[in-house]
Amino acid sequence: EAGVAQSPRYKIIEKRQSVAFWCNPISGHATLYWYQQILGQGPKLLIQFQNNGVVDDSQLPKDRFSAERLKGVDSTLKIQPAKLEDSAVYLCASSHGLNEQFFGPGTRLTVL
Amino acid sequence: ELKVEQNPLFLSMQEGKNYTIYCNYSTTSDRLYWYRQDPGKSLESLFVLLSNGAVKQEGRLMASLDTKARLSTLHITAAVHDLSATYFCAVDGGGGADGLTFGKGTHLIIQP
Repeated sequence: EAGVAQSPRYKIIEKRQSVAFWCNPISGHATLYWYQQILGQGPKLLIQFQNNGVVDDSQLPKDRFSAERLKGVDSTLKIQPAKLEDSAVYLCASSHGLNEQFFGPGTRLTVL
Repeated sequence: ELKVEQNPLFLSMQEGKNYTIYCNYSTTSDRLYWYRQDPGKSLESLFVLLSNGAVKQEGRLMASLDTKARLSTLHITAAVHDLSATYFCAVDGGGGADGLTFGKGTHLIIQP
């Protein structure tokens, strides 16, 4: 069974630029999550999708972050404009119902 | 707000020794997860504990859950160097919004 796929794996941008990350969950997993992991900390949930609907986006900084999952499969997370404090690893995870979450390899973002 | 506290945050131990990592959480939840993260890597699921009194074991690792005390433990028996990693516990929010809240992680170093 293929795992959660993410791209790119690394991204370096300057502050105030825009960036987008892509995630393809495990086939058949209806629930998709985006987490932000700052160096030395545990992951923090940004947004949860159930199919193509948002279940929880209470911790998403909506003035600069946006996410979509238009067809209920792939998802994109966008930051516009980026700030220095957005430097982190962005992890995508998926699950089948209320079960174990499987994490992708992550995208490491550096904002200069 | 759901809070998850792990201790210790750093642990250096010798091979062959036993030790326990503790995870306390602040609200009622019947689902607790343990993940392992190697440097520069994503999260690997270790255990999913779904009910009070649940105990799971895999190799030298054993996890347990006491929902009444809101406490989970991860016990390491006869540690080996390959277990060096950061270990996270996480709890879901329940009620359908099951994005995880993570502890800060326990950075474990096992020395020969």
